[in-house]
Amino acid sequence: QVQLQESGPGLVKPSGTLSLTCAVSGGSISSSNWWSWVRQPPGKGLEWIGEIYHSGSTNYNPSLKSRVTISVDKSKNQFSLKLSSVTAADTAVYYCARIIEYSSSYYYYYMDVWGKGTTVTVSS
Amino acid sequence: SSELTQDPAVSVALGQTVRITCQGDSLRSYYASWYQQKPGQAPVLVIYGKNNRPSGIPDRFSGSSSGNTASLTITGAQAEDEADYYCNSRETFGTGTKVTVL
Repeated sequence: QVQLQESGPGLVKPSGTLSLTCAVSGGSISSSNWWSWVRQPPGKGLEWIGEIYHSGSTNYNPSLKSRVTISVDKSKNQFSLKLSSVTAADTAVYYCARIIEYSSSYYYYYMDVWGKGTTVTVSS
Repeated sequence: SSELTQDPAVSVALGQTVRITCQGDSLRSYYASWYQQKPGQAPVLVIYGKNNRPSGIPDRFSGSSSGNTASLTITGAQAEDEADYYCNSRETFGTGTKVTVL
């Protein structure tokens, strides 16, 4: 079955750029799914960062949109997150997840596969 | 995007039933999905769609919705159900509910 694995630096300096990658195994990133990033600051709830389709189409959280870029590398079967101008408020566990989305009379949207998460600390 | 509101915490006696609610305007168009998260672990999908459970999720977990409110019910709560639970509607997560099993 599909598995996801986040990777990237665990420490980023303030005002720098956070860069993470999510490797997809057991399936193709070019399948009919969107792929997402979610984060969780220490002791707080989950925050949706954004999503990408294998075509490169993206949607971002409006509160982060000016600083976020999500990209896909089909040749490596992975997708990536870049968050610029980071501050201590961006310290969090970052998760990648697969999205299932479709509609009938209602919309279905859920994240059925998650990575284990990677901790990123913003500190000098 | 709208907010999704959940009660911060609920408690349930072992073997009893607990309902967690999630309110938000987006739930009039989107089915909520529900995630269980235990300390130090990634979230796990427990309910999606009208009332669907992924493989491996016990049938004591069920979901329902009406208007702008979605609910997750645990019937016969077990000690291992103690966790944080989050609802989601597309780009919005609920505020989370901490479930304590007494």
